[in-house]
Amino acid sequence: NAGVMQNPRHLVRRRGQEARLRCSPMKGHSHVYWYRQLPEEGLKFMVYLQKENIIDESGMPKERFSAEFPKEGPSILRIQQVVRGDSAAYFCASSPFGQGSSPLHFGNGTRLTVT
Amino acid sequence: GQQLNQSPQSMFIQEGEDVSMNCTSSSIFNTWLWYKQDPGEGPVLLIALYKAGELTSNGRLTAQFGITRKDSFLNISASIPSDVGIYFCAGQETSGSRLTFGEGTQLTVNP
Repeated sequence: NAGVMQNPRHLVRRRGQEARLRCSPMKGHSHVYWYRQLPEEGLKFMVYLQKENIIDESGMPKERFSAEFPKEGPSILRIQQVVRGDSAAYFCASSPFGQGSSPLHFGNGTRLTVT
Repeated sequence: GQQLNQSPQSMFIQEGEDVSMNCTSSSIFNTWLWYKQDPGEGPVLLIALYKAGELTSNGRLTAQFGITRKDSFLNISASIPSDVGIYFCAGQETSGSRLTFGEGTQLTVNP
């Protein structure tokens, strides 16, 4: 049973470009969460999605960031017009139920570098 | 927002020693989780705690959910070199949907 799969593992973008980060949850998991981690810091919640629905996006910046989890295919975290401050590791996690009832299993992350 | 204070920030110990780290929060959580993160990898779940006062073990690891619901500790006994990494606590609020993470404890084990 494959774990949470994220790609790409590393992504380099120039300022102003778009970054698209993908996350395939574990088999049978319909709840996906995105977290951001700056160097030497803990993980900060961004957004929580179920299939085709955004449940909680209170941790996501209002501008330039968006997330989706379509009926078919992976969840996508999209960052438009990236800036240097967006450089971080972005982790996706999944669970079979809501976050309150089962622990999260994380992918290995996408490390975004904005030059 | 919620804040978790995790301590110590870093620890340098000799192989074979026991280790203890803890987290305190400004509010009540109904779930406490402990994760370990190796360089370049995602966090891996070590122990999950769901009841106040609960004490749970996973091999050489033991964690407890504080009675006040505002704290938790993790103990590692007889440390070995592969215990090196960053340990994070995470709490889930009674009514919230998010996990709040501590800032991590960097553990170094000298052979």
